[in-house]
Amino acid sequence: EAQVTQNPRYLITVTGKKLTVTCSQNMNHEYMSWYRQDPGLGLRQIYYSMNVEVTDKGDVPEGYKVSRKEKRNFPLILESPSPNQTSLYFCASSRNGYGYTFGSGTRLTVV
Amino acid sequence: TQLLEQSPQFLSIQEGENLTVYCNSSSVFSSLQWYRQEPGEGPVLLVTVVTGGEVKKLKRLTFQFGDARKDSSLHITAAQPGDTGLYLCAGATYNTDKLIFGTGTRLQVFP
Repeated sequence: EAQVTQNPRYLITVTGKKLTVTCSQNMNHEYMSWYRQDPGLGLRQIYYSMNVEVTDKGDVPEGYKVSRKEKRNFPLILESPSPNQTSLYFCASSRNGYGYTFGSGTRLTVV
Repeated sequence: TQLLEQSPQFLSIQEGENLTVYCNSSSVFSSLQWYRQEPGEGPVLLVTVVTGGEVKKLKRLTFQFGDARKDSSLHITAAQPGDTGLYLCAGATYNTDKLIFGTGTRLQVFP
């Protein structure tokens, strides 16, 4: 089944403890993106990648890192999480940018 | 900052009624994508429109891309309770391939 898989689905962590949210797609898509969704603010892009080793900042990149060493994986790294990074995170992929497949989301709580 | 304004924000209607959701911007987009999101899940792509003036139909849903590629509309005919959800438009920018999401329209269809 064609899908974008994120892990974990739920995560509660403490301020400052480094964490990684994994994202993998099995569709051989070139494009991958990370979004966060917050009430009243909608979906905002964190980082995106148009190919292996090519990444660029979205609208809210501060406090996040990404890497694209292989086409299928696009992990999101929070080096020192803070409570304002509590949010619902989505990874998405696309063959050409004209329509994305989203993962099921990761609900992160930073206390 | 590019913005996509959706209206209305909330819509509560009876089964069988028709409705239209609007997505407006001052920016020009290379494509306009529509998604539907259920609570706790990732957005699911409904359609992508690429050409100015383009109209696409998906069963009871009709999507239109404005001639100037700055706006779009989603019309639902004879709404059903299964249409309930959060409808999101998203514009793909030229050059950067970033995807900008609209503010969302929450639709509730009562039996």
